[in-house]
Amino acid sequence: QQQVKQSPQSLIVQKGGIPIINCAYENTAFDYFPWYQQFPGKGPALLIAIRPDVSEKKEGRFTISFNKSAKQFSLHIMDSQPGDSATYFCAARDHSNSGYALNFGKGTSLLVTP
Amino acid sequence: DAGVTQSPTHLIKTRGQQVTLRCSPKSGHDTVSWYQQALGQGPQFIFQYYEEEERQRGNFPDRFSGHQFPNYSSELNVNALLLGDSALYLCASSFYQAGQTQYFGPGTRLLVL
Repeated sequence: QQQVKQSPQSLIVQKGGIPIINCAYENTAFDYFPWYQQFPGKGPALLIAIRPDVSEKKEGRFTISFNKSAKQFSLHIMDSQPGDSATYFCAARDHSNSGYALNFGKGTSLLVTP
Repeated sequence: DAGVTQSPTHLIKTRGQQVTLRCSPKSGHDTVSWYQQALGQGPQFIFQYYEEEERQRGNFPDRFSGHQFPNYSSELNVNALLLGDSALYLCASSFYQAGQTQYFGPGTRLLVL
């Protein structure tokens, strides 16, 4: 079953807007939460990642907010640009396993209009 | 610094055939993970290799097997191909001791007819 639930499925914002993508999980063994950006025909590219001992992390125009008690985290894209149009995936890693498998959400297709 | 590379980029096979996909990890990385990404879905974990051993496996049948070589490169083999195996196959590399950060290659697009 899907261990990481992501919403919305798709999102359209105007240039300069702040799209917000949300993810939720139940597994308390998750200890690392990366976000990936994927363009058509390409592999996912790591954007930013956070650990649950931090409530917010910012890198450039990308910000992750993390709510450990609610088991939710979200990606904010400040001053969005048409070049940000892509599919975004949240993911989570289960530290109770010996490996480092990532569990991905289903993705959010973002369109930033000029 | 070369990133993760995968070959081939595209592949067309027929049902029942076997396929081998290849991956070279990012320089300095010793761990390779394989994921399957169906159209419109997020990547699904297949398995992970470290020190030439399968360390963790996702919910995939035994038709999916792999190998890691001493130079850390890896192969994914799929036997008895089904139409449902059509997908983008992604390889991700990481440094095992660091644990977390996985960097993905461009993928191999497999079409099973």
